[in-house]
Amino acid sequence: EAGVTQSPTHLIKTRGQQVTLRCSPISGHTSVYWYQQALGLGLQFLLWYDEGEERNRGNFPPRFSGRQFPNYSSELNVNALELEDSALYLCASGVARGSSNQPQHFGDGTRLSIL
Amino acid sequence: AQRVTQPEKLLSVFKGAPVELKCNYSYSGSPELFWYVQYSRQRLQLLLRHISRESIKGFTADLNKGETSFHLKKPFAQEEDSAMYYCALKGGATNKLIFGTGTLLAVQP
Repeated sequence: EAGVTQSPTHLIKTRGQQVTLRCSPISGHTSVYWYQQALGLGLQFLLWYDEGEERNRGNFPPRFSGRQFPNYSSELNVNALELEDSALYLCASGVARGSSNQPQHFGDGTRLSIL
Repeated sequence: AQRVTQPEKLLSVFKGAPVELKCNYSYSGSPELFWYVQYSRQRLQLLLRHISRESIKGFTADLNKGETSFHLKKPFAQEEDSAMYYCALKGGATNKLIFGTGTLLAVQP
């Protein structure tokens, strides 16, 4: 069974640009979660999508957005990139919301560097 | 506020020694707690969840609601246990995981 896949693996952008990161969940998982792992800040929750809808977002500005497609894959978009957006962006997938104690399974992440 | 605290950034032990990775949480309701592990050059993967009360790779973790702790333990450390360990809390209907800052376990030969 294929795990969570993310693309691209690495990305270099400059300040002010826009970026799109992609995530394919494990087959059968309807939820996709995005996390940011910035140096010194640990893993921070960004967004949660389930059944095509945004269910929850973390404490990030509106220039962080995304969407989930009918096949449950997801995109994370970041506009007006800033230097502090440099981080590893992790995607995780899980079963439908409401299922207690179901773990989230993570991808390898996309390393985003802002110059 | 929901919070997970892992007080040790680095824990260094010798092979065969007992290991205890500390995790304390702050949450008003009934928490769901997990331990994730990241081996070198590998993705973050689930190690344990408190509801399962299982032992994985010799590791166990018991939820202590009185002390709001979920420490990870192993009686005899192995070199292959060297990795970054994260404690995580899932609180309520938000489904988001709140991670601790992680503890790097280094098992010396």
